[in-house]
Amino acid sequence: AQSVTQLGSHVSVSEGALVLLRCNYSSSVPPYLFWYVQYPNQGLQLLLKYTTGATLVKGINGFEAEFKKSETSFHLTKPSAHMSDAAEYFCAVSDLTFGNEKLTFGTGTRLTIIP
Amino acid sequence: NAGVTQTPKFQVLKTGQSMTLQCAQDMNHEYMSWYRQDPGMGLRLIHYSVGAGITDQGEVPNGYNVSRSTTEDFPLRLLSAAPSQTSVYFCASSRGQASINEQFFGPGTRLTVL
Repeated sequence: AQSVTQLGSHVSVSEGALVLLRCNYSSSVPPYLFWYVQYPNQGLQLLLKYTTGATLVKGINGFEAEFKKSETSFHLTKPSAHMSDAAEYFCAVSDLTFGNEKLTFGTGTRLTIIP
Repeated sequence: NAGVTQTPKFQVLKTGQSMTLQCAQDMNHEYMSWYRQDPGMGLRLIHYSVGAGITDQGEVPNGYNVSRSTTEDFPLRLLSAAPSQTSVYFCASSRGQASINEQFFGPGTRLTVL
């Protein structure tokens, strides 16, 4: 069964600094990988996803993530943090086992931006 | 498009009461799911549906029932509420399999069971 580990339940960065949110996964087959963002009092929305092909994936709001098979990682980065990036971020993994309709979500990382 | 809508936004129940959380989507999505979100545990799948008339259990189905009589609606029923069901509940829909396609989430229902 697949699983997701997000290192750091809380991350704080200064406005303008690099954002790095870590995600490691385990999967028995090549996975699909997702990052979702949840702004306060809202539902989740998709930031980006990796399926196949290019391992560097660009998403909305300047975020990107790189799939590294050898490290089983899918870390999320943004070169320069903005106050509006304050939110909770969830990494999720699926595999393509026949009949699988589910994503497995990580426990989330709350990102705080320091002015 | 309204997207995915959920009602109510907030609800307080007493132990043993029953209630239905409503979810509707206007995107003609076949796939719909119910998740619960608890602190430190992320999102966990309760039930899901791959189309009208077809539902299946997720990771934490006990104490919950679902039905899918139309493409648009996917209500979640709590049969006899327990304090352990205090949580935030999210409904989501997707055009295809939730495991490979973008899911669209509703704004959530915050449920407290006393």
